[in-house]
Amino acid sequence: NAGVTQTPKFQVLKTGQSMTLQCAQDMNHEYMSWYRQDPGMGLRLIHYSVGAGITDQGEVPNGYNVSRSTTEDFPLRLLSAAPSQTSVYFCASGQGTTFTGELFFGEGSRLTVL
Amino acid sequence: AQSVSQHNHHVILSEAASLELGCNYSYGGTVNLFWYVQYPGQHLQLLLKYFSGDPLVKGIKGFEAEFIKSKFSFNLRKPSVQWSDTAEYFCAVRAGGFKTIFGAGTRLFVKA
Repeated sequence: NAGVTQTPKFQVLKTGQSMTLQCAQDMNHEYMSWYRQDPGMGLRLIHYSVGAGITDQGEVPNGYNVSRSTTEDFPLRLLSAAPSQTSVYFCASGQGTTFTGELFFGEGSRLTVL
Repeated sequence: AQSVSQHNHHVILSEAASLELGCNYSYGGTVNLFWYVQYPGQHLQLLLKYFSGDPLVKGIKGFEAEFIKSKFSFNLRKPSVQWSDTAEYFCAVRAGGFKTIFGAGTRLFVKA
C-alpha cells in the first residue's frame, strides 16, 4: 500500500544544475500536483495535472517544468536550479474526474541549492 | 485571487488545554474545506474535511471544525490537547477548479 512515493528524499545541488524530482502514485488518481513548502508561507502550488498529457500552472510555476506521460508518474524538473528553489517539495494526488480538493501527499523531497 | 488566512503562526498550550485555530478564506462561492496535520518530519495527513451538510464536522483524533459561511471561516477545535498533538496544522480550500490553496500553517507545541 505505497500511496504516493517521492524520490529522492534529500538532494543538494549547485546553482545552475538541473535535476528531476520523481513522483509516482498507485491509487489510479487522475489528479497529481506539486507543492513547495517554505517556512511561514505554507504550501504553494507549482504545477498540477488532471490526466496523462494534461498539465497546468499553479501559483509559483517559474523555474519548474512538468510532464505527465502516464497516470502513475508526475516528475518535476528544475532546469537551472537557483538558491530561491531551496525548499521542501511535496507531490500530492487526488481523484480527477470528481476532484474535491482532497489530496494524498508523498513524504516530501528536501532540496538545497547552494 | 483566492487566499487562506490562518490567524496564529505559533501556539503553545499545556496538556489538557482546549485548542482553537482560526482559518478564514476569501471566496464567495461554493468551497470545499480541509484541515491537514503535519507531524514533525512527516508528510501532510488529512485531519478532517467539509463539503456540504452539517457545518460541524468531526475528524480523527478528537478534532472538529465548524464552517461558518457568513464569516468565511473554518476554525479547528479540540477540547483537550495531548503532547502528541504537537504538529503544524494547515487549513486548505478548494474554491472551484483544480487548485487547493493552503494557509501559511500554525505550529502547535503542547507542553507535557
